[in-house]
Amino acid sequence: SQTIHQWPATLVQPVGSPLSLECTVEGTSNPNLYWYRQAAGRGLQLLFYSVGIGQISSEVPQNLSASRPQDRQFILSSKKLLLSDSGFYLCAWSVGGALYEQYFGPGTRLTVT
Amino acid sequence: DQQVKQNSPSLSVQEGRISILNCDYTNSMFDYFLWYKKYPAEGPTFLISISSIKDKNEDGRFTVFLNKSAKHLSLHIVPSQPGDSAVYFCAASAGNQGGKLIFGQGTELSVKP
Repeated sequence: SQTIHQWPATLVQPVGSPLSLECTVEGTSNPNLYWYRQAAGRGLQLLFYSVGIGQISSEVPQNLSASRPQDRQFILSSKKLLLSDSGFYLCAWSVGGALYEQYFGPGTRLTVT
Repeated sequence: DQQVKQNSPSLSVQEGRISILNCDYTNSMFDYFLWYKKYPAEGPTFLISISSIKDKNEDGRFTVFLNKSAKHLSLHIVPSQPGDSAVYFCAASAGNQGGKLIFGQGTELSVKP
């Protein structure tokens, strides 16, 4: 069966520090991968998605970047965090096209102080 | 522009009664709709979906109804149980957008014993 891992579970970082969040998927090949953010009291906002190694699409301009160095690895990064980057970050995967469900990881709670 | 809207931020229901969660969308190109359930500090879990070629899909206590002419879908939970208390997100995707999901803001359901 497929599983998705995210780490760390929680993170407290000062403003201006770098960020690296990692997501890996097991049990499937060539998944579509996604990064979402849920700000406090808000819905889920799609940040990045990837349909293959090295292929990244950005949905919103922001202080973040994403990379996919391996088929089942998706990394979310920032060179300098802002206070507004605080939130709950979720990685998700799917296979196939539009008519397939996305499955989410446990999330990372990021607090920028 | 909020393409998927959940206008009720919260809903309180008595155990054993029906819970009805609503969702409206504006993009007529959406052809697949999903409902997710989310507990605090966890990733969303997939509940049920419906294709635009159907108007109803049922899975146990959960039924999703789709009214394409009104651009409206709803999730019915019967009977409601205290364990159903969570935030429910509706999401939509269009076949020409590579599987990206657009989420509503979520509705927090509270089922009281």
